Amino acid sequence: NAGVTQTPKFRVLKTGQSMTLLCAQDMNHEYMYWYRQDPGMGLRLIHYSVGEGTTAKGEVPDGYNVSRLKKQNFLLGLESAAPSQTSVYFCASAIGQGHYNEQFFGPGTRLTVL
Amino acid sequence: KNEVEQSPQNLTAQEGEFITINCSYSVGISALHWLQQHPGGGIVSLFMLSSGKKKHGRLIATINIQEKHSSLHITASHPRDSAVYICAVSGGGSNYKLTFGKGTLLTVNP
Repeated sequence: NAGVTQTPKFRVLKTGQSMTLLCAQDMNHEYMYWYRQDPGMGLRLIHYSVGEGTTAKGEVPDGYNVSRLKKQNFLLGLESAAPSQTSVYFCASAIGQGHYNEQFFGPGTRLTVL
Repeated sequence: KNEVEQSPQNLTAQEGEFITINCSYSVGISALHWLQQHPGGGIVSLFMLSSGKKKHGRLIATINIQEKHSSLHITASHPRDSAVYICAVSGGGSNYKLTFGKGTLLTVNP
């Protein structure tokens, strides 16, 4: 099993450009999450999904959109990138209800917006 | 909303020392998680516990539900233990979300 994978690993964007980050998991997990990690801030939840076709806002959703069309994939979109979105992005997945939410993380995507 | 506080923020130790990292939270939980992140690396789950104590190799995690406090201990520390250790909690009405502490940066010198 590959676990949780993220594409791409690194990306540099110019202000105003758009991009999509892909997260894929092969563990048949119901729940999926997108986080950003910034120095001194800890992990902050951007958006999450509790099942195929459902998404919800997390703590810092502004400037991001997500889609969960297939159970194994969770996409994070930046429509018009801003320097404030320079960060490391982590995707995670969890089995689902009743499992205390142990989360499995992807390797991260380092995004720089110039 | 649950507040998760970790201490210390930074910790430097000599190889072989016994390490303790603390985590406290403000609201009742269903589980507490300890995670490890090596520099420039991904995040790995070390422990998930809802009561008592768990041990894995040189790592020991304890939780006191009444005091809303958990500790992560590392015995016979080694330079490869150098990493950020993150405490997170689930529950309190949001079983599908984790609330994270800011992490403790541990450096173990040879």
